[in-house]
Amino acid sequence: KAGVTQTPRYLIKTRGQQVTLSCSPISGHRSVSWYQQTPGQGLQFLFEYFSETQRNKGNFPGRFSGRQFSNSRSEMNVSTLELGDSALYLCASSVGQGPYTEAFFGQGTRLTVV
Amino acid sequence: AQSVTQLGSHVSVSEGALVLLRCNYSSSVPPYLFWYVQYPNQGLQLLLKYTSAATLVKGINGFEAEFKKSETSFHLTKPSAHMSDAAEYFCAVSPNSGYSTLTFGKGTMLLVSP
Repeated sequence: KAGVTQTPRYLIKTRGQQVTLSCSPISGHRSVSWYQQTPGQGLQFLFEYFSETQRNKGNFPGRFSGRQFSNSRSEMNVSTLELGDSALYLCASSVGQGPYTEAFFGQGTRLTVV
Repeated sequence: AQSVTQLGSHVSVSEGALVLLRCNYSSSVPPYLFWYVQYPNQGLQLLLKYTSAATLVKGINGFEAEFKKSETSFHLTKPSAHMSDAAEYFCAVSPNSGYSTLTFGKGTMLLVSP
């Protein structure tokens, strides 16, 4: 079956702009999580959605937001981009919301802010 | 708060040699523990997970890890390294109740020489 699909794979934006990243989870998965990966900070949790509700949020400024649709697809938005937002953004989906459920990751969207 | 520490940002081995990647966790109660692998320009792939069923966990590609509560460790091993094992490896922890949020270590890059 198809894996987690993230679009676009690569993105270049200018400082001050906003960006929207998309994630389509594996069919039947209702939980979607987002992570930011940078060389300096490593992998950091952004937020988690389950059945269209944000269940948990990481320590990121309000410029980072997300949502989940009724078909479980998720988007994350970053407004007023800063150079430090350049990163690989990873989406993961899982069947349930418990800690024992395996998270399947997409290939990520690499965002470059210039 | 839970955390994991991976000792060594880079580990170099020869093909056929033992692979040992170290991970120590910090948690007030035994958490769930995971090892993920990331190949260049790819997302994360789950190698194995510990969910308290057994202390020795076998994963994919010949990897295994042993949970040692007394040492708060979950080291990843493979008896014989292959060139294809060269990648970055991440240890992660998740609480054993509530949300499925993963907290990752900084990662260890495994280099395999012929």
